[in-house]
Amino acid sequence: DTGVSQDPRHKITKRGQNVTFRCDPISEHNRLYWYRQTLGQGPEFLTYFQNEAQLEKSRLLSDRFSAERPKGSFSTLEIQRTEQGDSAMYLCASSYRTGGVETQYFGPGTRLLVL
Amino acid sequence: AQSVTQPDIHITVSEGASLELRCNYSYGATPYLFWYVQSPGQGLQLLLKYFSGDTLVQGIKGFEAEFKRSQSSFNLRKPSVHWSDAAEYFCAVGGGSGGSYIPTFGRGTSLIVHP
Repeated sequence: DTGVSQDPRHKITKRGQNVTFRCDPISEHNRLYWYRQTLGQGPEFLTYFQNEAQLEKSRLLSDRFSAERPKGSFSTLEIQRTEQGDSAMYLCASSYRTGGVETQYFGPGTRLLVL
Repeated sequence: AQSVTQPDIHITVSEGASLELRCNYSYGATPYLFWYVQSPGQGLQLLLKYFSGDTLVQGIKGFEAEFKRSQSSFNLRKPSVHWSDAAEYFCAVGGGSGGSYIPTFGRGTSLIVHP
């Protein structure tokens, strides 16, 4: 168990550019979540996958945001035409649900700064 | 809708003193409750969780939390704080009875430890 990993750890981009983040979950975990965290706030849910199926999306996830988990393993989160308001920490978490019990394990996050 | 309130934005304690961080939740059924810790620039680490059973839950790093249904609270405690405990602490509530599982996080409490 190597934990959840995210890449890159930091990203600086100019407004209008596209960015893509990657998350590698714990290998046996079938659920994968994306969150956004702004300064002084707790994580806010964006979307989650069970295996390769995207099951729920938050209203926070505008049309500029898209997430994929093509083979039910790693996931990518793309932000198109970035805006300064997209600056935040993007956290990924994975979990395995059995018998109605589930615990999420978080990665270190990707900190995005949009100039 | 589920929600979490962490009424204290900052808590300052002296090293060696006891600690209690407050968490109040709103949830329509039996909640699953979590405490996470986040060091600066890092992801969230799970400290402890409550699903059912004994209402006093032991976690890592000497932390414990008590679930009080009558008060809708899940306060985090530690008998003697170490300087390395300085971090941001997040309480979260989620459901576990079928369907989607999307935890809601509080805004966090920042713990400052004086030598």
